[in-house]
Amino acid sequence: ILNVEQSPQSLHVQEGDSTNFTCSFPSSNFYALHWYRWETAKSPEALFVMTLNGDEKKKGRISATLNTKEGYSYLYIKGSQPEDSATYLCASLSGGYNKLIFGAGTRLAVHP
Amino acid sequence: EAQVTQNPRYLITVTGKKLTVTCSQNMNHEYMSWYRQDPGLGLRQIYYSMNVEVTDKGDVPEGYKVSRKEKRNFPLILESPSPNQTSLYFCASSSTAAAEAFFGQGTRLTVV
Repeated sequence: ILNVEQSPQSLHVQEGDSTNFTCSFPSSNFYALHWYRWETAKSPEALFVMTLNGDEKKKGRISATLNTKEGYSYLYIKGSQPEDSATYLCASLSGGYNKLIFGAGTRLAVHP
Repeated sequence: EAQVTQNPRYLITVTGKKLTVTCSQNMNHEYMSWYRQDPGLGLRQIYYSMNVEVTDKGDVPEGYKVSRKEKRNFPLILESPSPNQTSLYFCASSSTAAAEAFFGQGTRLTVV
């Protein structure tokens, strides 16, 4: 099993703060990196799928970067809102494998 | 509406009583998979299927079976459930292994 690590495990921020989390993954034979947002009592929903070194993706106040050579991705949230409270999952797919390996997630709580 | 439908959403059963959790998708996706989620751990893949009649083990396949007789359906079978299979289960589908995954609503299973 190829390990995908996410940090921090949990994070508490105030409304309006900007924040970021890290996902580290095996860089050898990298193929794709996914970010998902998982709200309590709902299903995970895809935020980004990234494949190229240096990729930057943005959706509203959320953005992500990818460094495939060193094996990490950052997820940024600008001006956090209470509705951003969720667990953020990253998952890595390596070439030659047919399965996503998920990290344990970062649980974000945004307080009004 | 594009969706992945799992049933049942909640299930309490006794050790040894065979059960099936159904999963159906309406997006004509070739790739489908089953995950279990346990506290402190990421989503762990149980089985996946690249296409009809093509299935393979994920990272935690012991105690589970699957079948893929039609493209849209991918049931998860527990022939003789045990308490260590108490977990939250998700079915997911995507066009390929690398593409964004669409998750079902989840099935919370308790084996007593």
